Amino acid sequence: NAGVMQNPRHLVRRRGQEARLRCSPMKGHSHVYWYRQLPEEGLKFMVYLQKENIIDESGMPKERFSAEFPKEGPSILRIQQVVRGDSAAYFCASSPGGQAYNEQFFGPGTRLTVL
Amino acid sequence: AQTVTQSQPEMSVQEAETVTLSCTYDTSESDYYLFWYKQPPSRQMILVIRQEAYKQQNATENRFSVNFQKAAKSFSLKISDSQLGDAAMYFCAYRRFTGNQFYFGTGTSLTVIP
Repeated sequence: NAGVMQNPRHLVRRRGQEARLRCSPMKGHSHVYWYRQLPEEGLKFMVYLQKENIIDESGMPKERFSAEFPKEGPSILRIQQVVRGDSAAYFCASSPGGQAYNEQFFGPGTRLTVL
Repeated sequence: AQTVTQSQPEMSVQEAETVTLSCTYDTSESDYYLFWYKQPPSRQMILVIRQEAYKQQNATENRFSVNFQKAAKSFSLKISDSQLGDAAMYFCAYRRFTGNQFYFGTGTSLTVIP
């Protein structure tokens, strides 16, 4: 059973470009979470999605950031018009359910560098 | 809002010795979950141990154990018989009983000295 997969592992963008980060959850998992880790900091929650629904986006910046988890295919975190401050590692996690006791399994992360 | 504090940015331990990493948290809730995650240089987040707040017994996973002091809101991780492979960043995390997200501390970088 493959773990959570994220691609690309490294992404370089120039200011003003768009970044698309993909996350394929573990098989059988329908709950996906996105976190951002700035240098020297812990992970910060961004958004929680189930298939075709955004359940909690309280950690998502109001502008330029969006996320989706379509019925088919991976979850996508999209950052429009990237700025240098968006440089960070973005982690996706998945779980089989949304209850707190369900373990979240993390992917290897995507490291975004904005030039 | 929940906050998680790790007051030790860096720790070191001699191989085969024991080390304790500190974590405190702030919450007004009575039921919740606490976690320790390990992040090696590969940056993969790996679950080390989990504690349910309603359980009085401290969780243990092989060489890893916790000291959970609910009244003091303290959740320390003890690593016994430290191995070189234990070198990593360790993050303490809190999750509400009815919540979706983790709240992470800023991490402790553990070095294991051969």
